[in-house]
Amino acid sequence: NAGVMQNPRHLVRRRGQEARLRCSPMKGHSHVYWYRQLPEEGLKFMVYLQKENIIDESGMPKERFSAEFPKEGPSILRIQQVVRGDSAAYFCASSRPLLGRSNEKLFFGSGTQLSVL
Amino acid sequence: AQTVTQSQPEMSVQEAETVTLSCTYDTSESDYYLFWYKQPPSRQMILVIRQEAYKQQNATENRFSVNFQKAAKSFSLKISDSQLGDAAMYFCAYRFNFGNEKLTFGTGTRLTIIP
Repeated sequence: NAGVMQNPRHLVRRRGQEARLRCSPMKGHSHVYWYRQLPEEGLKFMVYLQKENIIDESGMPKERFSAEFPKEGPSILRIQQVVRGDSAAYFCASSRPLLGRSNEKLFFGSGTQLSVL
Repeated sequence: AQTVTQSQPEMSVQEAETVTLSCTYDTSESDYYLFWYKQPPSRQMILVIRQEAYKQQNATENRFSVNFQKAAKSFSLKISDSQLGDAAMYFCAYRFNFGNEKLTFGTGTRLTIIP
């Protein structure tokens, strides 16, 4: 059973370009979370999605950032008109529903390092 | 809002010795999970250990154990018999059990193992 797959592993963009980050959750997982890690910092929650639904996007910047998790295919985090401050590692995690005192675990991908020149 | 604080940016320990990493958190909830994650240079986030707040017994996983003090809102990680492979960033994290399941992370502690 493959783990959470993120691609690309490294992505270089020039200021003003678009960045598309992909995340394929583990088989059987219907919940996806995106986190951002700035240099020398912890991971910060961005958005939580279920298939075809955004459940919580409270950590996502209001402009330029969007996320989707379609019925078929990977989850996509899209950053339009990137700026240098967007340079970070972006992590995806997936799980089955974590309801109440659930023993379900969150599984992380290896992240995409975005570098904006 | 919940916050997680790791006050030790860096720690080092001699191989085979024991080291304790500190974590404090702030929450008004009573039912939650606490986690320690390890992030080696490969960047992969690896779950080391987790603690359920309603359980008084401290969690243990082989050489890793926690000291969970709910009243003090403290959750430290003890690594016994430290090995070179333990060198990594360690992140403490919190998750409320009901409602949104997102994790709140601390800023991390970089652990160096001295051969």
